[in-house]
Amino acid sequence: DAGVTQSPTHLIKTRGQQVTLRCSPISGHKSVSWYQQVLGQGPQFIFQYYEKEERGRGNFPDRFSARQFPNYSSELNVNALLLGDSALYLCASSPDRANYGYTFGSGTRLTVV
Amino acid sequence: QKEVEQDPGPLSVPEGAIVSLNCTYSNSAFQYFMWYRQYSRKGPELLMYTYSSGNKEDGRFTAQVDKSSKYISLFIRDSQPSDSATYLCAMEYGNKLVFGAGTILRVKS
Repeated sequence: DAGVTQSPTHLIKTRGQQVTLRCSPISGHKSVSWYQQVLGQGPQFIFQYYEKEERGRGNFPDRFSARQFPNYSSELNVNALLLGDSALYLCASSPDRANYGYTFGSGTRLTVV
Repeated sequence: QKEVEQDPGPLSVPEGAIVSLNCTYSNSAFQYFMWYRQYSRKGPELLMYTYSSGNKEDGRFTAQVDKSSKYISLFIRDSQPSDSATYLCAMEYGNKLVFGAGTILRVKS
């Protein structure tokens, strides 16, 4: 079975641009969460979606938004990119809302120049 | 003060050694406690999770939780070079996981 799939793997953007990151959860998983991991730090929670509804939001500005589609895949959008947005963006899926059964993808490495 | 404190290391040990990794936390509302392993350029991989205070063993790995002291540990027996990675502790709170900064472990052959 395929794990959590994220695309693209790497991305370079210029300050002020917008970016969309994509995530396909494990088949049958209905919950998707997004995390930001800056180099040398642990992942920081951005969003959780369950059954296509936002169930939680971390301490991130409104420039960050996300959505979940009927097939449970998800997109994370970041507008007006700043240099500080450079990070590894991780998507995690689980069968239900429980956080302790999460499987993470390999992430999208975003570099803002 | 961070909610979860974890020594970033690096921790360097010889092959076969017993490794002890630790985290402390401040929020008594944390319910579940997890350990993840993260190889370079990869996403975190769940190793173990525990709910109550006490020990949980899985192969060479033992997770220990002491809720009264707000302290969790991961022990790795007979460490191997393939165990070289960053180890992240994480705690469940509401709709999110709160992670420590991660400890870099290097096992030398």
